[in-house]
Amino acid sequence: QKEVEQDPGPLSVPEGAIVSLNCTYSNSAFQYFMWYRQYSRKGPELLMYTYSSGNKEDGRFTAQVDKSSKYISLFIRDSQPSDSATYLCAMRARAGNQFYFGTGTSLTVIP
Amino acid sequence: DSGVTQTPKHLITATGQRVTLRCSPRSGDLSVYWYQQSLDQGLQFLIQYYNGEERAKGNILERFSAQQFPDLHSELNLSSLELGDSALYFCASSVESGAANTGELFFGEGSRLTVL
Repeated sequence: QKEVEQDPGPLSVPEGAIVSLNCTYSNSAFQYFMWYRQYSRKGPELLMYTYSSGNKEDGRFTAQVDKSSKYISLFIRDSQPSDSATYLCAMRARAGNQFYFGTGTSLTVIP
Repeated sequence: DSGVTQTPKHLITATGQRVTLRCSPRSGDLSVYWYQQSLDQGLQFLIQYYNGEERAKGNILERFSAQQFPDLHSELNLSSLELGDSALYFCASSVESGAANTGELFFGEGSRLTVL
């Protein structure tokens, strides 16, 4: 079993839709949770960062962490064509140096 | 622009050859991570250095090696290259290591390696 599971998609939605991206994980020691956005042929860029459980909102983006279910989500409201990218979840434990990434979900927002 | 610089951006070479990928971390970042990304494998962690010392090792092949220099730039050496080594190689940097790391990794644009 992989440490982090993420549905690869692809996901295709119309402009303006609400997008939900999800990851599950198996290691209960994970404390830091991140979402990265990767445009084609570019490096991943940090989109959202959350420590432990709870919600965090930044503009059209909301990150949720449910540690009891070992489940994290990223919601994108009023999706735009510029949101078309691959979204990777990542997480790490409080101790240790290794980040664990999901395989990424490819999202296309159709104008 | 993340502030992490990787060279070369593209590299085409033959099987059996050796290449060196270079990474300059963001100013002030002490940790450097190397990742391999291929279509079917996602981001695979290779190795991490902190202030010149190796701190963590992932799925790095024995044919691969890395080091971090006193000026904090890092190099990833890939030798006896095989077709399957064709991938995007990313370098990422962060300020701190271990428990003090808040989790922000900053990635470079990657080096695309094609082995023919």
